[in-house]
Amino acid sequence: AQKITQTQPGMFVQEKEAVTLDCTYDTSDPSYGLFWYKQPSSGEMIFLIYQGSYDQQNATEGRYSLNFQKARKSANLVISASQLGDSAMYFCAMRVLTGGGNKLTFGTGTQLKVEL
Amino acid sequence: EAGVTQFPSHSVIEKGQTVTLRCDPISGHDNLYWYRRVMGKEIKFLLHFVKESKQDESGMPNNRFLAERTGGTYSTLKVQPAELEDSGVYFCASSQDRGSGRLLNEQFFGPGTRLTVL
Repeated sequence: AQKITQTQPGMFVQEKEAVTLDCTYDTSDPSYGLFWYKQPSSGEMIFLIYQGSYDQQNATEGRYSLNFQKARKSANLVISASQLGDSAMYFCAMRVLTGGGNKLTFGTGTQLKVEL
Repeated sequence: EAGVTQFPSHSVIEKGQTVTLRCDPISGHDNLYWYRRVMGKEIKFLLHFVKESKQDESGMPNNRFLAERTGGTYSTLKVQPAELEDSGVYFCASSQDRGSGRLLNEQFFGPGTRLTVL
Protein backbone atom coordinates (compact mmCIF):
# COMPACT_ATOMS: atom_id res chain seq x y z
CA ALA A 1 0.00 0.00 0.00
CA GLN A 2 1.10 3.53 -0.67
CA LYS A 3 1.07 6.37 1.80
CA ILE A 4 1.72 10.10 1.61
CA THR A 5 2.43 12.12 4.73
CA GLN A 6 2.21 15.89 4.95
CA THR A 7 3.06 16.92 8.49
CA GLN A 8 2.38 20.65 8.17
CA PRO A 9 -1.35 21.40 8.39
CA GLY A 10 -0.64 25.12 8.04
CA MET A 11 2.25 27.34 7.00
CA PHE A 12 2.84 31.08 6.88
CA VAL A 13 5.36 32.86 4.68
CA GLN A 14 6.16 36.46 3.97
CA GLU A 15 5.63 37.72 0.46
CA LYS A 16 8.76 37.35 -1.71
CA GLU A 17 10.26 34.76 0.63
CA ALA A 18 10.78 31.09 -0.24
CA VAL A 19 8.81 28.35 1.48
CA THR A 20 9.20 24.58 1.66
CA LEU A 21 6.20 22.30 2.00
CA ASP A 22 7.08 18.86 3.29
CA CYS A 23 6.01 15.55 1.82
CA THR A 24 7.20 12.06 2.63
CA TYR A 25 6.00 8.94 0.92
CA ASP A 26 6.03 5.22 1.37
CA THR A 27 5.87 2.57 -1.28
CA SER A 28 7.59 -0.69 -2.07
CA ASP A 29 7.18 -0.15 -5.80
CA PRO A 30 10.42 1.04 -7.45
CA SER A 31 8.53 2.88 -10.19
CA TYR A 32 6.38 5.76 -9.07
CA GLY A 33 5.57 9.35 -9.74
CA LEU A 34 5.14 12.19 -7.30
CA PHE A 35 2.79 15.11 -7.93
CA TRP A 36 1.97 18.39 -6.28
CA TYR A 37 -1.41 20.03 -6.68
CA LYS A 38 -2.60 23.46 -5.58
CA GLN A 39 -6.16 24.07 -4.46
CA PRO A 40 -7.06 27.76 -4.13
CA SER A 41 -10.18 28.87 -2.29
CA SER A 42 -12.16 28.59 -5.52
CA GLY A 43 -11.86 24.83 -5.18
CA GLU A 44 -10.25 23.62 -8.40
CA MET A 45 -7.19 21.38 -8.21
CA ILE A 46 -4.28 22.72 -10.23
CA PHE A 47 -1.38 20.47 -11.21
CA LEU A 48 1.94 22.09 -10.34
CA ILE A 49 4.84 19.74 -10.77
CA TYR A 50 5.81 16.10 -11.32
CA GLN A 51 8.83 14.00 -10.35
CA GLY A 52 9.43 10.47 -11.61
CA SER A 53 11.23 7.97 -9.40
CA TYR A 54 13.93 7.45 -12.02
CA ASP A 55 14.44 11.10 -12.81
CA GLN A 56 18.02 12.08 -12.07
CA GLN A 57 17.35 15.77 -11.62
CA ASN A 58 14.92 17.58 -9.40
CA ALA A 59 11.88 18.83 -11.27
CA THR A 60 11.38 22.57 -11.72
CA GLU A 61 8.45 24.56 -13.11
CA GLY A 62 8.89 28.29 -12.89
CA ARG A 63 8.87 29.27 -9.21
CA TYR A 64 8.14 25.69 -8.17
CA SER A 65 10.81 23.10 -7.59
CA LEU A 66 10.68 19.68 -6.09
CA ASN A 67 13.40 18.67 -3.66
CA PHE A 68 13.47 14.93 -4.32
CA GLN A 69 15.47 12.87 -1.84
CA LYS A 70 14.86 9.29 -2.81
CA ALA A 71 16.76 7.65 0.04
CA ARG A 72 14.74 9.64 2.55
CA LYS A 73 11.53 9.13 0.57
CA SER A 74 10.81 12.81 0.59
CA ALA A 75 9.49 15.08 -2.14
CA ASN A 76 9.27 18.56 -0.72
CA LEU A 77 7.81 21.42 -2.75
CA VAL A 78 9.80 24.64 -2.76
CA ILE A 79 8.05 27.84 -3.80
CA SER A 80 10.42 30.71 -4.43
CA ALA A 81 9.52 34.39 -4.24
CA SER A 82 6.11 33.77 -2.71
CA GLN A 83 3.18 35.80 -3.98
CA LEU A 84 -0.17 36.55 -2.37
CA GLY A 85 -1.79 34.38 -5.01
CA ASP A 86 0.15 31.38 -3.72
CA SER A 87 -2.13 31.27 -0.68
CA ALA A 88 -3.92 27.95 -1.08
CA MET A 89 -4.07 24.33 0.02
CA TYR A 90 -1.26 22.20 -1.38
CA PHE A 91 -1.52 18.45 -1.83
CA CYS A 92 1.27 15.97 -2.42
CA ALA A 93 0.26 12.81 -4.30
CA MET A 94 1.80 9.63 -5.64
CA ARG A 95 1.04 7.09 -8.30
CA VAL A 96 2.80 3.76 -8.60
CA LEU A 97 3.38 1.95 -11.86
CA THR A 98 2.68 -1.65 -10.90
CA GLY A 99 -0.43 -2.74 -9.08
CA GLY A 100 -1.56 0.76 -8.31
CA GLY A 101 -3.55 1.39 -11.42
CA ASN A 102 -3.88 5.02 -12.34
CA LYS A 103 -5.11 6.20 -8.98
CA LEU A 104 -3.42 8.94 -7.04
CA THR A 105 -2.75 8.60 -3.33
CA PHE A 106 -2.91 11.97 -1.59
CA GLY A 107 -1.67 13.45 1.63
CA THR A 108 -3.84 15.53 3.95
CA GLY A 109 -2.58 18.80 2.51
CA THR A 110 -0.85 21.92 3.78
CA GLN A 111 -2.67 25.26 3.97
CA LEU A 112 -0.25 27.99 2.93
CA LYS A 113 -0.88 31.62 3.78
CA VAL A 114 1.29 34.29 2.18
CA GLU A 115 1.44 37.51 4.17
CA LEU A 116 2.51 41.03 3.27
CA GLU B 1 -10.36 23.74 -24.37
CA ALA B 2 -12.98 23.25 -21.66
CA GLY B 3 -11.79 21.71 -18.43
CA VAL B 4 -13.44 19.08 -16.28
CA THR B 5 -16.82 20.28 -15.11
CA GLN B 6 -18.90 19.06 -12.21
CA PHE B 7 -22.50 19.64 -11.28
CA PRO B 8 -23.79 20.71 -8.86
CA SER B 9 -21.14 22.77 -7.12
CA HIS B 10 -22.93 22.36 -3.81
CA SER B 11 -25.61 20.01 -2.57
CA VAL B 12 -27.30 19.95 0.81
CA ILE B 13 -29.55 16.98 1.49
CA GLU B 14 -31.01 15.18 4.45
CA LYS B 15 -29.91 11.80 5.66
CA GLY B 16 -31.70 9.08 3.74
CA GLN B 17 -32.17 11.11 0.58
CA THR B 18 -30.58 10.42 -2.78
CA VAL B 19 -28.10 12.64 -4.56
CA THR B 20 -26.58 12.32 -8.00
CA LEU B 21 -23.35 14.06 -8.89
CA ARG B 22 -22.31 14.60 -12.48
CA CYS B 23 -18.89 14.93 -14.07
CA ASP B 24 -18.07 15.94 -17.63
CA PRO B 25 -14.45 15.10 -18.43
CA ILE B 26 -12.24 16.87 -20.92
CA SER B 27 -13.28 15.87 -24.41
CA GLY B 28 -11.26 12.92 -25.67
CA HIS B 29 -10.13 11.76 -22.25
CA ASP B 30 -10.82 8.05 -21.88
CA ASN B 31 -9.89 7.93 -18.21
CA LEU B 32 -12.25 9.32 -15.61
CA TYR B 33 -11.71 9.20 -11.86
CA TRP B 34 -13.77 9.98 -8.80
CA TYR B 35 -12.14 11.07 -5.54
CA ARG B 36 -13.55 12.28 -2.24
CA ARG B 37 -12.21 14.50 0.51
CA VAL B 38 -13.84 14.30 3.89
CA MET B 39 -13.25 17.42 6.00
CA GLY B 40 -9.66 17.70 7.18
CA LYS B 41 -8.60 14.38 5.75
CA GLU B 42 -6.77 13.28 2.65
CA ILE B 43 -8.33 13.06 -0.78
CA LYS B 44 -9.24 9.43 -1.33
CA PHE B 45 -9.65 7.56 -4.57
CA LEU B 46 -13.09 6.10 -5.25
CA LEU B 47 -12.98 4.62 -8.71
CA HIS B 48 -11.56 4.77 -12.22
CA PHE B 49 -13.31 4.40 -15.56
CA VAL B 50 -11.66 3.65 -18.85
CA LYS B 51 -14.25 4.71 -21.36
CA GLU B 52 -17.46 3.10 -20.06
CA SER B 53 -15.76 0.28 -18.12
CA LYS B 54 -14.90 0.33 -14.44
CA GLN B 55 -11.17 -0.28 -14.32
CA ASP B 56 -10.77 0.01 -10.57
CA GLU B 57 -13.51 0.51 -8.02
CA SER B 58 -11.48 -0.49 -4.98
CA GLY B 59 -12.09 2.83 -3.25
CA MET B 60 -15.88 2.76 -3.30
CA PRO B 61 -16.90 2.79 0.36
CA ASN B 62 -20.02 0.64 0.15
CA ASN B 63 -22.95 -0.34 -2.01
CA ARG B 64 -24.77 2.92 -1.34
CA PHE B 65 -22.49 4.44 -3.97
CA LEU B 66 -23.15 3.75 -7.64
CA ALA B 67 -21.05 5.19 -10.45
CA GLU B 68 -21.90 5.02 -14.11
CA ARG B 69 -20.38 6.23 -17.33
CA THR B 70 -22.76 5.30 -20.07
CA GLY B 71 -21.35 5.84 -23.53
CA GLY B 72 -17.93 6.65 -22.14
CA THR B 73 -18.55 10.37 -21.89
CA TYR B 74 -19.92 11.95 -18.74
CA SER B 75 -20.18 10.09 -15.47
CA THR B 76 -22.61 10.13 -12.57
CA LEU B 77 -22.07 9.17 -8.97
CA LYS B 78 -25.22 8.38 -7.05
CA VAL B 79 -25.40 8.11 -3.30
CA GLN B 80 -28.51 6.30 -2.08
CA PRO B 81 -29.42 6.58 0.72
CA ALA B 82 -27.04 9.30 1.89
CA GLU B 83 -25.56 9.10 5.38
CA LEU B 84 -23.94 11.82 7.50
CA GLU B 85 -20.44 10.45 6.89
CA ASP B 86 -20.88 10.91 3.15
CA SER B 87 -20.43 14.66 3.57
CA GLY B 88 -17.36 15.98 1.84
CA VAL B 89 -16.05 17.28 -1.45
CA TYR B 90 -16.30 14.93 -4.41
CA PHE B 91 -13.75 15.50 -7.13
CA CYS B 92 -13.77 14.19 -10.63
CA ALA B 93 -10.63 14.03 -12.77
CA SER B 94 -9.84 12.91 -16.28
CA SER B 95 -6.72 11.99 -18.22
CA GLN B 96 -5.64 10.85 -21.64
CA ASP B 97 -4.20 7.43 -22.12
CA ARG B 98 -0.58 7.88 -23.13
CA GLY B 99 0.10 4.18 -23.17
CA SER B 100 0.99 1.66 -20.54
CA GLY B 101 3.85 2.37 -18.20
CA ARG B 102 3.63 6.12 -18.50
CA LEU B 103 3.47 7.67 -15.07
CA LEU B 104 2.72 11.19 -16.14
CA ASN B 105 -0.81 10.63 -17.37
CA GLU B 106 -1.65 13.93 -15.79
CA GLN B 107 -5.03 13.99 -14.18
CA PHE B 108 -7.01 17.19 -14.66
CA PHE B 109 -9.39 17.85 -11.83
CA GLY B 110 -12.77 19.48 -11.75
CA PRO B 111 -13.77 22.05 -9.11
CA GLY B 112 -15.53 19.44 -7.00
CA THR B 113 -19.03 19.07 -5.60
CA ARG B 114 -19.42 19.92 -1.94
CA LEU B 115 -21.96 17.52 -0.45
CA THR B 116 -23.48 18.18 2.93
CA VAL B 117 -25.70 15.55 4.49
CA LEU B 118 -27.77 16.82 7.43
